[in-house]
Amino acid sequence: GAGVSQSPSNKVTEKGKDVELRCDPISGHTALYWYRQSLGQGLEFLIYFQGNSAPDKSGLPSDRFSAERTGGSVSTLTIQRTQQEDSAVYLCASSLRDYQYNEQFFGPGTRLTVL
Amino acid sequence: ELKVEQNPLFLSMQEGKNYTIYCNYSTTSDRLYWYRQDPGKSLESLFVLLSNGAVKQEGRLMASLDTKARLSTLHITAAVHDLSATYFCAVVGGATNKLIFGTGTLLAVQP
Repeated sequence: GAGVSQSPSNKVTEKGKDVELRCDPISGHTALYWYRQSLGQGLEFLIYFQGNSAPDKSGLPSDRFSAERTGGSVSTLTIQRTQQEDSAVYLCASSLRDYQYNEQFFGPGTRLTVL
Repeated sequence: ELKVEQNPLFLSMQEGKNYTIYCNYSTTSDRLYWYRQDPGKSLESLFVLLSNGAVKQEGRLMASLDTKARLSTLHITAAVHDLSATYFCAVVGGATNKLIFGTGTLLAVQP
């Protein structure tokens, strides 16, 4: 079975441009998470989706960051007016809503470089 | 606010030696995970620990959890070069099951 996929794998952009990062979760996984991994901040949570709704957006660092999920499947993370500090690897993870053993499976990540 | 501390940050070991990575967390959580990350790769799940006193073993790695001390350990037995990677612990934070990660431990096993 396919795992979590993300695209693009690498993205280089100029400061001030908008970027969209895509995540395809494992089929049937209703929970979806975005994380960011950077040298300065380590691995940090950004946003959580259950189905198409996002009950926890507490990790989004600024209003330049937004995300949506459609059809309970694909999610897009959008960063507007990118800044150099946005350079990081953006990881997506999905899981089943099983309280007892809620393992998250991670995608390969998108490496974003803002010049 | 839930915080997770991991030490050491960097560990250089010789093959055949034993060592332990420590993971402390600040508030109660009902699950703790250990992940492995190879350079340029994503996170691979190693263990999930669900209860006090839980111990899981896979090959040369053994993880344990003490919920009263809010401490988990990842013990490496007779290290081999293939274990070289970065290891993260992560604790579930809140009802959304988001993961709060430790700083990671970069393990380098020298032949």
